Amino acid sequence: AQKITQTQPGMFVQEKEAVTLDCTYDTSDPSYGLFWYKQPSSGEMIFLIYQGSYDQQNATEGRYSLNFQKARKSANLVISASQLGDSAMYFCAMREGQSGYNKLIFGAGTRLAVHP
Amino acid sequence: EPEVTQTPSHQVTQMGQEVILRCVPISNHLYFYWYRQILGQKVEFLVSFYNNEISEKSEIFDDQFSVERPDGSNFTLKIRSTKLEDSAMYFCASSEALGADTQYFGPGTRLTVL
Repeated sequence: AQKITQTQPGMFVQEKEAVTLDCTYDTSDPSYGLFWYKQPSSGEMIFLIYQGSYDQQNATEGRYSLNFQKARKSANLVISASQLGDSAMYFCAMREGQSGYNKLIFGAGTRLAVHP
Repeated sequence: EPEVTQTPSHQVTQMGQEVILRCVPISNHLYFYWYRQILGQKVEFLVSFYNNEISEKSEIFDDQFSVERPDGSNFTLKIRSTKLEDSAMYFCASSEALGADTQYFGPGTRLTVL
């Protein structure tokens, strides 16, 4: 079974609009972390936002917020006020367990295109 | 802001040749990782490294692969005899000691095996 599922291969959004990128996960470990990374066409992986499984509040980082629904095992990324520079591939990833050295498991990614 | 660096940015090699991909993790980080991304596919974990030894490795990380921290700053991935299917983007990442969660990635090395 897939540990991380991103069901949207591609998404379009108008500049200045908000967009939600979906991510569902599967784990039996009570302690885990969820991450979103952005990969522009240049190829680097840019960390955006992190949510811990025990965090009481949804994570926010500037225009990025994470809609964490633990019971549904979903961790959707919300980008508010989209900008042209947001056009990129977005990956959801999970770290199982509490140890800092646990590997990240990535989803297949969602390609976001922001239109003017 | 501190960042992970990787060299070279692009490496072209002939099948069967050895390659060494180099990474300089963030200076106060203690956990190091290699991931790879075959073109158009998801990012896959290869290996994690802590305290001068491998913590975990994936089934991809077979005997052709090795990692080393030759000095206090560099972290290397060696592929002994490259195959066509080793062509991919290789990312190095690092994270702080236990309790800090985020893995910061380098810009990647694109390996092309001909």
